[in-house]
Amino acid sequence: QQPVQSPQAVILREGEDAVINCSSSKALYSVHWYRQKHGEAPVFLMILLKGGEQKGHEKISASFNEKKQQSSLYLTASQLSYSGTYFCGTAPSGTYKYIFGTGTRLKVLA
Amino acid sequence: GAGVSQTPSNKVTEKGKYVELRCDPISGHTALYWYRQSLGQGPEFLIYFQGTGAADDSGLPNDRFFAVRPEGSVSTLKIQRTERGDSAVYLCASSLGAGEASPLHFGNGTRLTVT
Repeated sequence: QQPVQSPQAVILREGEDAVINCSSSKALYSVHWYRQKHGEAPVFLMILLKGGEQKGHEKISASFNEKKQQSSLYLTASQLSYSGTYFCGTAPSGTYKYIFGTGTRLKVLA
Repeated sequence: GAGVSQTPSNKVTEKGKYVELRCDPISGHTALYWYRQSLGQGPEFLIYFQGTGAADDSGLPNDRFFAVRPEGSVSTLKIQRTERGDSAVYLCASSLGAGEASPLHFGNGTRLTVT
């Protein structure tokens, strides 16, 4: 089951904040977040393990709620370089079969 | 150090032909993944290897698709009797090993076009 992300797309001005959500119908044990720019490979941002909140990259942080089977990515004071498509990735417990979410297209305008 | 390398970067083939896509992972990475990505979609899981063995091949769409990793390093994705619907970007990723805390490092992909 593919995780569902929301919103599908968002447009921001530089300096604005955004939240991207990732929901799964199955129990989550870890969540990965990646950003992909047009025509490029996805690039790792951060990993969350079982309820940890982790700041990993620039002004980007994330949370992970195991009970709700959700993770959220927080982008604060967005920069032009944040533009791209964000994907969450999850794997069932005991496996490393990472399934990626539906994606959120983010565009930051000057 | 070098990242994940995929060759060719582009491949155009005729319907019905056989193609091989190569992935050279980061040195020392024991896990290797193949994904397929269509325009506007997220990466779709195909198969992953832990060492030489395919740990999970449940994402391969049908028996025309096959992947190998004979020495636990380089991997080849093989597609027989290609169809137009196989057109996509095929991404390879590697990670340090098994473990939920191991990030995936992606290559730039092979864009396959079946005419």
